[in-house]
Amino acid sequence: DQQVKQNSPSLSVQEGRISILNCDYTNSMFDYFLWYKKYPAEGPTFLISISSIKDKNEDGRFTVFLNKSAKHLSLHIVPSQPGDSAVYFCAAGGNTDKLIFGTGTRLQVFP
Amino acid sequence: DAMVIQNPRYQVTQFGKPVTLSCSQTLNHNVMYWYQQKSSQAPKLLFHYYDKDFNNEADTPDNFQSRRPNTSFCFLDIRSPGLGDAAMYLCATWLGQGISGYTFGSGTRLTVV
Repeated sequence: DQQVKQNSPSLSVQEGRISILNCDYTNSMFDYFLWYKKYPAEGPTFLISISSIKDKNEDGRFTVFLNKSAKHLSLHIVPSQPGDSAVYFCAAGGNTDKLIFGTGTRLQVFP
Repeated sequence: DAMVIQNPRYQVTQFGKPVTLSCSQTLNHNVMYWYQQKSSQAPKLLFHYYDKDFNNEADTPDNFQSRRPNTSFCFLDIRSPGLGDAAMYLCATWLGQGISGYTFGSGTRLTVV
């Protein structure tokens, strides 16, 4: 039972354009969500988070949108840069000390 | 710099030969986690420690054990590695509050031959 789903395994975007990565979840008890970025042969690094009481959080080029009614969140990267090429994991947490991760989306930003 | 360090980065072990992966942290975080990640899959939580309290996931095989002798160190022991245990093993820490999320180590890539 995959509680956090990233249905697009890969995404290819031209440099300078917007990258939109999507994530769906099934458990309405989740009350915060995070995005992690992972380069090959490295551990994931925290990128941005959002609490369930918000619908948007912005940090520089990165914005996360949360639609609780649809149980959907998205990460927008504007403008996309080649250094953004990585695997992006969506994760969700609730009233436990565990995060549930999605399967990841591989983003490739080409010149 | 405060960080989470995993050793070794790459580990090759023989089928059935016990192996230990280590994780240390300088963040003084209360919670330490071990995740297993296979290609194109979500990181799968094996177990975690909240301080000294050990929490095992229901579907973690008995073949996997863990030790946390102190706040800074946590070990993953695989008693009899099988070919299916080849994966990236990620250690992560969390302060125990707030939504800043985990801090991950660089992982240990385990190969079973």
